[in-house]
Amino acid sequence: QVTLKESGPALVKPTQTLTLTCTFSGFSLSSSGMRVSWIRQPPGKALEWLARIDWDDDTFYSTSLKTRLTISKDTSKNQVVLTMTNMDPVDTATYYCARSVTAGGGFDYWGQGTLVTVSS
Amino acid sequence: QSALTQPASVSGSPGQSITMSCTGTSSDVGGYNYVSWYQQHPGKAPELMIYDVNKRPSGVSYRFSGSKSGNTASLTVSGLQAEDEADYYCTSYTTTSTYVFGTGTKVTVL
Repeated sequence: QVTLKESGPALVKPTQTLTLTCTFSGFSLSSSGMRVSWIRQPPGKALEWLARIDWDDDTFYSTSLKTRLTISKDTSKNQVVLTMTNMDPVDTATYYCARSVTAGGGFDYWGQGTLVTVSS
Repeated sequence: QSALTQPASVSGSPGQSITMSCTGTSSDVGGYNYVSWYQQHPGKAPELMIYDVNKRPSGVSYRFSGSKSGNTASLTVSGLQAEDEADYYCTSYTTTSTYVFGTGTKVTVL
């Protein structure tokens, strides 16, 4: 049974760095073809893909946010970590992690999401 | 990368079929057979309904089907049911090895 769960601060101040952790079970991110992405959704708005890390440590980032994002993994802990620098109120959103097994997408399992509010 | 364009809303009566579109460019939808569709009920995480344009994951109803022509993908829901009322998002792989989501379509069952 595949599960993912996001964790991190619910509130961050503008200019701070956000660190989110995705803890998963039911698969190994060291297995060929496994990938984990971060996706966010501002309240009442559409989904936005942020970053992806693959079983072979390849990483990919949103073109518009790549300078602010870092994605990493700890295979032994079954965790993927996303950091986003220089947080702004427009970054207020529910942040999801999701698994895919092909490069083309198809995010087949999602976490429940964690709401991050950026406010002073 | 601009968001894929979806109609803001689509509605239908129970039992009817509805189709929603997802329009991109040759750099995303038109460039790969890597379009997927997600259903999202209020306050819930999205759920994968279609991947690789027209493949259904195990457990997803046969009433959901996908297709693509050129730069536009489509999701059809046949035999519309009350439980189908939700937001639907498409996404596509892109030529820059990233993903782009659609603007979302709200489906209302009349």
